Amino acid sequence: AQSVTQLGSHVSVSEGALVLLRCNYSSSVPPYLFWYVQYPNQGLQLLLKYTTGATLVKGINGFEAEFKKSETSFHLTKPSAHMSDAAEYFCAVSTSRSNDYKLSFGAGTTVTVRA
Amino acid sequence: DSGVTQTPKHLITATGQRVTLRCSPRSGDLSVYWYQQSLDQGLQFLIQYYNGEERAKGNILERFSAQQFPDLHSELNLSSLELGDSALYFCASSVGLGVTRDEQFFGPGTRLTVL
Repeated sequence: AQSVTQLGSHVSVSEGALVLLRCNYSSSVPPYLFWYVQYPNQGLQLLLKYTTGATLVKGINGFEAEFKKSETSFHLTKPSAHMSDAAEYFCAVSTSRSNDYKLSFGAGTTVTVRA
Repeated sequence: DSGVTQTPKHLITATGQRVTLRCSPRSGDLSVYWYQQSLDQGLQFLIQYYNGEERAKGNILERFSAQQFPDLHSELNLSSLELGDSALYFCASSVGLGVTRDEQFFGPGTRLTVL
């Protein structure tokens, strides 16, 4: 079984500052990793995903994440926060096992951006 | 707008009642997934259907059932409702079977309140 732990349920950053959201995973087989964003009263939107290949993954809205197998981590970063980045962010894991299609989500991290 | 539609947007009902949530996937998507988002349990995968057949099951209670119809829309039926069933229920869809290859697009959700 796979699982995800997101460190920090709330993160507050100043506009223009670095955004860093931490995600560690547990999986007995090679994981596929995802970051989703949820704006208030909306569904989830995929920011980026890692399946195979390059470990540094670039996504939408200037976000990127790096898969580090040795640290079982998939932290999400954005160099310069914008007010529009205020939202809840979810890390999720799935596996390469062909019959296991579900996403297992972390508890989420709420990001607030200070002007 | 993800292209996934869910109705109703809000649902308020009483304990012991039964409700049906409806989901229409994006045009061309054959897979439908149901997720529950609650304060205490976070985002949890419930069930997946592919082209009318159940493909994967998660933490879905026996009081809950789902189906996917020939036109590919899906319904999630919740019966003998309890206060703890109050949550946001998301539907997601993808083109094929593999979440590892196909992005899941999420609908806006149905907020269920059980009084």
